[in-house]
Amino acid sequence: QKEVEQDPGPLSVPEGAIVSLNCTYSNSAFQYFMWYRQYSRKGPELLMYTYSSGNKEDGRFTAQVDKSSKYISLFIRDSQPSDSATYLCAMSPIYNTDKLIFGTGTRLQVFP
Amino acid sequence: EAQVTQNPRYLITVTGKKLTVTCSQNMNHEYMSWYRQDPGLGLRQIYYSMNVEVTDKGDVPEGYKVSRKEKRNFPLILESPSPNQTSLYFCASSPGQGFSAEAFFGQGTRLTVV
Repeated sequence: QKEVEQDPGPLSVPEGAIVSLNCTYSNSAFQYFMWYRQYSRKGPELLMYTYSSGNKEDGRFTAQVDKSSKYISLFIRDSQPSDSATYLCAMSPIYNTDKLIFGTGTRLQVFP
Repeated sequence: EAQVTQNPRYLITVTGKKLTVTCSQNMNHEYMSWYRQDPGLGLRQIYYSMNVEVTDKGDVPEGYKVSRKEKRNFPLILESPSPNQTSLYFCASSPGQGFSAEAFFGQGTRLTVV
């Protein structure tokens, strides 16, 4: 069983839809949770970062962590075609870690 | 502009021909790392370095070498490439003694070994 599971998609939604992207994990020691966005032929870029449980909001993006269920989510409101990308979740037990554990990524397509 | 620069961006080579992928960062970061990205497997760490002359294996180090002679550079060396090393490679750098939310990724190097 992988430490981090993520549905690969693709997920195709119309512009303006609310998108929900999710990851589950098995290691209860994970404390730091990140979401990266990766456009085609580009490197991943950090989108959201949360510590422990709870919600964090940044514009149209909301990250949620449910440590009791070992489940994290990224919600995108009013999705735009420019949100079309692959979204990777990543996590670690400490802030400065020797490596992050990544999910495999979910490909999202937002059509006009 | 803060950035991690990888070269080349695309490379096609033949089995057994030694190659080096360079990675350079201009942020004076201590930590640097190499990942490979494959469909269905995600990003897997190859090697990392906490500082100059300090390197360690990640999850998939077989067939790769690295060196960290200068803080800004962290080249990835494939002494004898094989087709199973065909992949998309990313270099990352981060301040402090490890990978953190402040890390930057390079643009990637797509390697094909025939």
